Amino acid sequence: EPEVTQTPSHQVTQMGQEVILRCVPISNHLYFYWYRQILGQKVEFLVSFYNNEISEKSEIFDDQFSVERPDGSNFTLKIRSTKLEDSAMYFCASREDLYQETQYFGPGTRLLVL
Amino acid sequence: KQEVTQIPAALSVPEGENLVLNCSFTDSAIYNLQWFRQDPGKGLTSLLLIQSSQREQTSGRLNASLDKSSGRSTLYIAASQPGDSATYLCAVTQGAQKLVFGQGTRLTINP
Repeated sequence: EPEVTQTPSHQVTQMGQEVILRCVPISNHLYFYWYRQILGQKVEFLVSFYNNEISEKSEIFDDQFSVERPDGSNFTLKIRSTKLEDSAMYFCASREDLYQETQYFGPGTRLLVL
Repeated sequence: KQEVTQIPAALSVPEGENLVLNCSFTDSAIYNLQWFRQDPGKGLTSLLLIQSSQREQTSGRLNASLDKSSGRSTLYIAASQPGDSATYLCAVTQGAQKLVFGQGTRLTINP
């Protein structure tokens, strides 16, 4: 069964460094999302992406964050200058089209900022 | 601003029991509601999606109901098994795109 994959599974970085989290959505899906979950807290929406542009973003998704679909398969989240409070599990999700409403989630990348 | 609340926060029951998990949301203008399962340190697995025009959905031993006007959903698990132990999250789709999640119910099924 097709699934969303994410790499790396774990990443440790120093405060102020840039990180890129990678996702491969399900191949025929058109809508892509990033969410994060700080330890012990709710899963929070970050951004949605469709047709090579951001369609919606949360107040969390400030100028230090960016997303890109560099080719036909990958979807990336870049954090330009990481802060301690960026430590969280980051989930990528994808959705087939406007009529198929289920979002399918990847296994997540656990980011630890020291 | 949409708020999603799940009660109880944790639930422990013996194997074989039927159980109900609750979810409430403050803004009834939703497109759909999804129930997910999250195993420790893992991603989210979609269990059921109920569209805003529907009242319930069933998949195997799981049945989810939706009362949009009162802002409530329940997930009913029949004949619980130890393998059902996980955290169950409900989420509503707001603005046709983003999911707004509850904090989850941590379920433990004791053999």
